[in-house]
Amino acid sequence: GQQVMQIPQYQHVQEGEDFTTYCNSSTTLSNIQWYKQRPGGHPVFLIQLVKSGEVKKQKRLTFQFGEAKKNSSLHITATQTTDVGTYFCAAWRSNDYKLSFGAGTTVTVRA
Amino acid sequence: EAGVVQSPRYKIIEKKQPVAFWCNPISGHNTLYWYLQNLGQGPELLIRYENEEAVDDSQLPKDRFSAERLKGVDSTLKIQPAELGDSAVYLCASSQDGSSTDTQYFGPGTRLTVL
Repeated sequence: GQQVMQIPQYQHVQEGEDFTTYCNSSTTLSNIQWYKQRPGGHPVFLIQLVKSGEVKKQKRLTFQFGEAKKNSSLHITATQTTDVGTYFCAAWRSNDYKLSFGAGTTVTVRA
Repeated sequence: EAGVVQSPRYKIIEKKQPVAFWCNPISGHNTLYWYLQNLGQGPELLIRYENEEAVDDSQLPKDRFSAERLKGVDSTLKIQPAELGDSAVYLCASSQDGSSTDTQYFGPGTRLTVL
């Protein structure tokens, strides 16, 4: 079935630096959602992208959906310690009507 | 507005024992999900309810797992008997209508340890 692959699995960032995490699929996606899970916490919805090439911003977070709707990215600028956690992308699988989560990118921040 | 409520938050049992998890979704949400999350992995769907009907239980190991949502609100997930490999976090989530663009709201999860 349709799966999403996230890279990198781990991201170690110096506080104040920027980084990008990627979500890739071999098939066209109808939409993609991003969730954040803090250490010891539960996934919390961040954003949903639906349109080809769509770009959405939330303060220092920029989310993008690829033109072919097969990939997505999350770019964080000026990383802060509050950005620590695991970021999951999730894609809707139309063949079996379920949301499929990637394995996540776990972000740690060096102060 | 209260979020998704789950209990217990933590459970430690010996293998072959039964265990049950409870979930109360956000008021008004028709769709309820049970997910399994292993360490270092994303959530994996076990079962999805639309009101009281289980519309997708294809990933639920039915030899030992069962679930119910009798009145279309609260739900319980049971494992009997538990095995060592069942140690994981069990997440409950709810959404308004279960559509492809619907947002899922997760509860805090139950961390199960099977000894």
